[in-house]
Formats: sequence, C-alpha cells, structure tokens
Amino acid sequence: GENVEQHPSTLSVQEGDSAVIKCTYSDSASNYFPWYKQELGKRPQLIIDIRSNVGEKKDQRIAVTLNKTAKHFSLHITETQPEDSAVYFCAASLGNNRLAFGKGNQVVVIP
Amino acid sequence: DAEITQSPRHKITETGRQVTLACHQTWNHNNMFWYRQDLGHGLRLIHYSYGVQDTNKGEVSDGYSVSRSNTEDLPLTLESAASSQTSVYFCASSNDRIEQFFGPGTRLTVL
Repeated sequence: GENVEQHPSTLSVQEGDSAVIKCTYSDSASNYFPWYKQELGKRPQLIIDIRSNVGEKKDQRIAVTLNKTAKHFSLHITETQPEDSAVYFCAASLGNNRLAFGKGNQVVVIP
Repeated sequence: DAEITQSPRHKITETGRQVTLACHQTWNHNNMFWYRQDLGHGLRLIHYSYGVQDTNKGEVSDGYSVSRSNTEDLPLTLESAASSQTSVYFCASSNDRIEQFFGPGTRLTVL
C-alpha cells in the first residue's frame, strides 16, 4: 500500500523566516496531494492541495511543489508568523477517494 | 452553513462497554471516513463509506464497526471498548473531488 513519510519531524524557525516540509510517497498512481494544518486540540484543516497535472501551487504565504518523478512534494511557508505554529500533515491519494497520511511535522515559529 | 459535527466531544467509558460515536455532515457528501489519531501514528483509517448501505474496513478496523443508513450520518461503534482504543477520533467527509473535511473530533478515554 501507499507509504507517506514526512521530514523533518520537528522544525523550529525564527519568525519571518521560511519553513519547508517535505513528504515522500511510494505509489506512483497517487495523483492528489493535500496538506493539513492542525493546531493543538483542533481538527486538521485543509490549507492547500495539488494535483498531479501541475508542479506548483501558491496561496498567499504558502505554496506546494510536486515532483512526480522523485515522488515527493513539499510545503513552503514564507514570512512565518507565530500563528503558523502547528502540526502539518501531508497526504497522498490511494484511489477510491481515500487518503494515506504522513505522521505529521511539528512546526514551531520562534518570535 | 453546511458542516460536519461529532458527538460527544469527550467520552470516558469502562473496558468492555459498547460505545457509539456520532458523525453528521450536511454537505450531502457521499464519502465518509473515520480515523483515529495517536501520538507517533498520525491519522489511521478505521472504516469508510461511499454511500448508503456501503461500508469498508480501513487499516485499523478490528474492534470497530460502522453503519450507513442515510447520507448524513456514519456512526462508529466500539463493540467492547479496550484501553488500546483510547484515542482521538476524527470523522471526515468528501465529494468525488477527494478533498476531505474533518469534524472537530471526539476524545475517548477507556478506563
């Protein structure tokens, strides 16, 4: 089955710097890659996603890049702010509308 | 506004008891999912459904069951609660564009 791995498990950045989280996946048939943000005690919230027909997608300070050949995709957060501190989960589609999730990255933005 | 809700938000029960967690969505989504979230494991799929009367087992389905009698609801039942089932449970739903939206979660403690 699909195996999704995230690196690094914890990332600390100074406020205003950029943060990059990388995910790798194993199933070449995967064609949809979302990122979720989960604040402490809250539900995972979809923040950005990308489909296999594009290589990059941006939404204000966040962007996702996809390299299908290497089977990895990354979340980029620019000009980080304290409210960006959270756990970020990546996922890859399994087919039949299912998702396989990574184990999450803790991002800490240091004021 | 359309939404997805879960109840109860917190539940404490005893080993061996039957417990049912409710999930209700008003988006008219065909696809509904139950996940459990544990430290170090991310989000693991328990059961899912693609429509009324359809249910499928996920990667950690032992000890759990679901039923789908209408589009809006997918209750999750723990037949005989075990301490290993102490976790945070999230319900999610999606249409055929795959994006999954999560409910607020239920924190279950089995003593």
